Amino acid sequence: AQSVSQHNHHVILSEAASLELGCNYSYGGTVNLFWYVQYPGQHLQLLLKYFSGDPLVKGIKGFEAEFIKSKFSFNLRKPSVQWSDTAEYFCAVTRSGNTGKLIFGQGTTLQVKP
Amino acid sequence: GAGVSQTPSNKVTEKGKYVELRCDPISGHTALYWYRQSLGQGPEFLIYFQGTGAADDSGLPNDRFFAVRPEGSVSTLKIQRTERGDSAVYLCASSRDRTDTEAFFGQGTRLTVV
Repeated sequence: AQSVSQHNHHVILSEAASLELGCNYSYGGTVNLFWYVQYPGQHLQLLLKYFSGDPLVKGIKGFEAEFIKSKFSFNLRKPSVQWSDTAEYFCAVTRSGNTGKLIFGQGTTLQVKP
Repeated sequence: GAGVSQTPSNKVTEKGKYVELRCDPISGHTALYWYRQSLGQGPEFLIYFQGTGAADDSGLPNDRFFAVRPEGSVSTLKIQRTERGDSAVYLCASSRDRTDTEAFFGQGTRLTVV
């Protein structure tokens, strides 16, 4: 069965620090990869997605992620975090063909201190 | 509407009671998904509708859970004989179709079974 593993459950950073959140998945076939974010009191929103092509994808608010097929990884990065990035971040994977049937990781809570 | 709408936002019910949770997808979206998110976990897929039909209900935990989408728009998730373990946030998402590159999530219904 497919699974998604997020290594960091709770991350605390100071503003301007760099961020990297790990994500690994266990499915060997063709997959689509996503990072979703949930700001306090808000709904899940798409940060970025990978379907094909350039393995380095850029999303909203300065976030990027790199798909490394050989490592089954899709880590999220941001060079300099802001207080407003405080949120919960979810990595998700789906098989090609049904992009709404997502398998989520357990999430990483990011707290950015001003 | 502008986004996916879920009602109620909060529901408290007694063990053994029946509950209905409603989802209003984005207008024109034919694909609709239900997820369940337990505390400290990522969302877990429950069921997927394409139009009026449940195309994939592999995530429903048992036969106490049922969902309908009679007119291909609004969907209702029904839980019979609720148990304390059913307490969770129930999320709904929609997309234009199953191959669309993004699913849009509602804010969820927080169900508490006492």
